Amino acid sequence: AQSVAQPEDQVNVAEGNPLTVKCTYSVSGNPYLFWYVQYPNRGLQFLLKYITGDNLVKGSYGFEAEFNKSQTSFHLKKPSALVSDSALYFCAVSSGYSSASKIIFGSGTRLSIRP
Amino acid sequence: GAVVSQHPSRVICKSGTSVKIECRSLDFQATTMFWYRQFPKQSLMLMATSNEGSKATYEQGVEKDKFLINHASLTLSTLTVTSAHPEDSSFYICSALPPGRGSYNEQFFGPGTRLTVL
Repeated sequence: AQSVAQPEDQVNVAEGNPLTVKCTYSVSGNPYLFWYVQYPNRGLQFLLKYITGDNLVKGSYGFEAEFNKSQTSFHLKKPSALVSDSALYFCAVSSGYSSASKIIFGSGTRLSIRP
Repeated sequence: GAVVSQHPSRVICKSGTSVKIECRSLDFQATTMFWYRQFPKQSLMLMATSNEGSKATYEQGVEKDKFLINHASLTLSTLTVTSAHPEDSSFYICSALPPGRGSYNEQFFGPGTRLTVL
């Protein structure tokens, strides 16, 4: 069965500092990994995904994520945080062996950037 | 491109009534749509996968007779919460997947519908 874990409920970072939001996963087969962001009372916005190839994936709004197969991780990073990055972030995973296109979401990490 | 809308954005109803939520893909055709439920400060829980022209596939523990899903066209899926009760109050989010897209493609999400059952 697929699963994804986000060990931190909340991450607090000062504006201008680098940020990391952690994610680990478990799938049978090749993992397809995603990061989404959710602002209050809104749907989810796609940030980036890893399918294959380069382990470092660059996405929207200056975010990037590094796929680490040995550690089964896909941490989200940004070199310099902005106050506007404050939101709820979800890691998600799908398996190439899945018969459907469904993806499983992590529990979410609330990112708070202080000025 | 790839815009998904939901209507209504917010609905309040009395216990025992039924509520219909619409999910539309505005600029693409979606053979597959997904319905999620999100409780406060929690993650999205997949309720069902809706395929155009066929019956929806429900996740384990989701009552198909209570949460009726209809995907009558390539741009519209509806979720009807029948005989709603206060415990059905939640944030319902749909997503859509363009045709020919597999599990390696991102889904496009609607803005969500806040349902409050009194």
